[in-house]
Formats: sequence, C-alpha cells, structure tokens
Amino acid sequence: SAVISQKPSRDICQRGTSLTIQCQVDSQVTMMFWYRQQPGQSLTLIATANQGSEATYESGFVIDKFPISRPNLTFSTLTVSNMSPEDSSIYLCSVSGTGNEQFFGPGTRLTVL
Amino acid sequence: KQEVTQIPAALSVPEGENLVLNCSFTDSAIYNLQWFRQDPGKGLTSLLLIQSSQREQTSGRLNASLDKSSGRSTLYIAASQPGDSATYLCAVMDSSYKLIFGSGTRLLVRP
Repeated sequence: SAVISQKPSRDICQRGTSLTIQCQVDSQVTMMFWYRQQPGQSLTLIATANQGSEATYESGFVIDKFPISRPNLTFSTLTVSNMSPEDSSIYLCSVSGTGNEQFFGPGTRLTVL
Repeated sequence: KQEVTQIPAALSVPEGENLVLNCSFTDSAIYNLQWFRQDPGKGLTSLLLIQSSQREQTSGRLNASLDKSSGRSTLYIAASQPGDSATYLCAVMDSSYKLIFGSGTRLLVRP
C-alpha cells in the first residue's frame, strides 16, 4: 500500500484568497487523483493528474478554479483559487496501487470565511 | 451514468451484533468495487477490494461480496465492536478508472 501525506492538514482562509494543497506519495505512481468532500456529503472527483501532461477535469470543475501541478511521479498540488464559503470542504488526494486499489491521503480540511 | 447507493444511511447496533451494509450500483460494467472506512474529519482507509471477476473478499471480521450482474455488494461485519463506529463508503471503479462513491453508511456500535 502507498503512504500518502498532505499539507496542510487544515486551514481557515478568507474569501477571495487562494490555498495550495500538497500531496506527497512514498512511491512513484502514474496517476494521482484529487477529490472534494463537502460537509455531510460523499466524495466527488475533481481531476486526474498525470505526470507530464495537463490534468483532466471532471464536469463542473475547471482549471482556472482548481489549477493542478504534477511535477514528478511522487508529488502533486491542488490550488483552490478565489475561494468562497462554498469551497469549504475536505480535499483528498489518492493514488492507485496493485489491482487499481485506491489509497487516500489524510485530507485537508478547508474552511473559508 | 453510474450511480451508487448505500443502505441504510445510518445504523446503530449494540456491541457484539453481526451486521450487513448494502451497496448497489446501476451499471454492471465495473472494473472493481472497494469498501472504505472514514472516521470523522479524517481520510479514507481501504478495507476490501473486490475485482470484477471475484465474488467475495475477507479480512478479519469483514467479508465483502459482489454480485456484478445484479449490481449489488454487501459488507458483513461480524461481532461488531465500538471501535467499528465510523462511516463506511462503497465505491465502484468504472472502465475509465474513475471511482464513483456512494453516500455512505454511518455506523454506531454502542458499548
């Protein structure tokens, strides 16, 4: 199984600002995924990040709002831009392991005031 | 469009009971199905992974079954303990390797 860390673990931000979330994996992986979990809801996929190419965004999510970087096979960042209170969520990154088993990071709890 | 449903939404049982959580999905063309546990405010812990060609997987007190043709999976927890209290999420992986999650079952095991 992969060990995944995320920074920060939580943050409280002001409306209109941006926050960059980091995701670090202890092994090289091809695909990394970013999810959002709004309060009381299940997880929704934001985008898939492949090293060396542009991230692929799901319906309802756009690059200007959620820019993603994937500089190497063990690291990715997700930026939440021009935040509003509706962006308050837990943001999680995940990777695929053997048999496409998914492993998740501990999440970043974001509160926007 | 794949939709995943979990029943019940919440469950409260006394310690020691055996229990079953249900998951259903609308499109049987799945790559695999995975059960996760999520503690409040935390990330997800993978419990069991069932490939589309498999019928069940077991880990300790947990057993998960998959009936792909009927679009159903169950998670069986034997001899429940207070430490099992958490939200249990079912997710299917579609043919494009994307996970689609159910809304979860919140489990409370009372001492």
